[in-house]
Amino acid sequence: GQQLNQSPQSMFIQEGEDVSMNCTSSSIFNTWLWYKQEPGEGPVLLIALYKAGELTSNGRLTAQFGITRKDSFLNISASIPSDVGIYFCAGDSGGSQGNLIFGKGTKLSVKP
Amino acid sequence: NAGVTQTPKFRILKIGQSMTLQCAQDMNHNYMYWYRQDPGMGLKLIYYSVGAGITDKGEVPNGYNVSRSTTEDFPLRLELAAPSQTSVYFCASSGPSPYGYTFGSGTRLTVV
Repeated sequence: GQQLNQSPQSMFIQEGEDVSMNCTSSSIFNTWLWYKQEPGEGPVLLIALYKAGELTSNGRLTAQFGITRKDSFLNISASIPSDVGIYFCAGDSGGSQGNLIFGKGTKLSVKP
Repeated sequence: NAGVTQTPKFRILKIGQSMTLQCAQDMNHNYMYWYRQDPGMGLKLIYYSVGAGITDKGEVPNGYNVSRSTTEDFPLRLELAAPSQTSVYFCASSGPSPYGYTFGSGTRLTVV
């Protein structure tokens, strides 16, 4: 079945640093989504990307839909302690079931 | 606007007991999903539904059952709890792709 490879698995950074994480797949996706999960909560949608090459920002977050439609990255600029959490990428192949394929997540820790 | 509501938030079961995890959404979404999340393993799809009366298996359906008698509700049933079912369970719903999912806040289940 379809799989997403998300890296890195975890990151330990200093407050103020920039962060970059990415997802790759052997399959083409029509939509890429990035979610953040805070401890004890469900994932929350951060950014949705609908077109190859698209670059979208949400505050300090920027995500891009790879031109090949097989990858996406998420950047966080000037990290702050509240950025701590697990970040998941997800791909939507556009099938009738509306199923998303999720990466295994990148756990971000920010040291004040 | 409550979104996706899951109950209970926490539960401890003994091996062999049964229980139902409740999930309700008030967004009139057709698609609903149940995921389990184990540490470092991301989100694995258990069952999903594309509308009332229609359900289908996901990646890890063994030991679970679902029903979808209304658009709003999508309960997950564990008939004979096993320690391998210790996990955090998330329910999600979505409208037509590619709008992404809305997740509930999760049910943390421990089977002892």
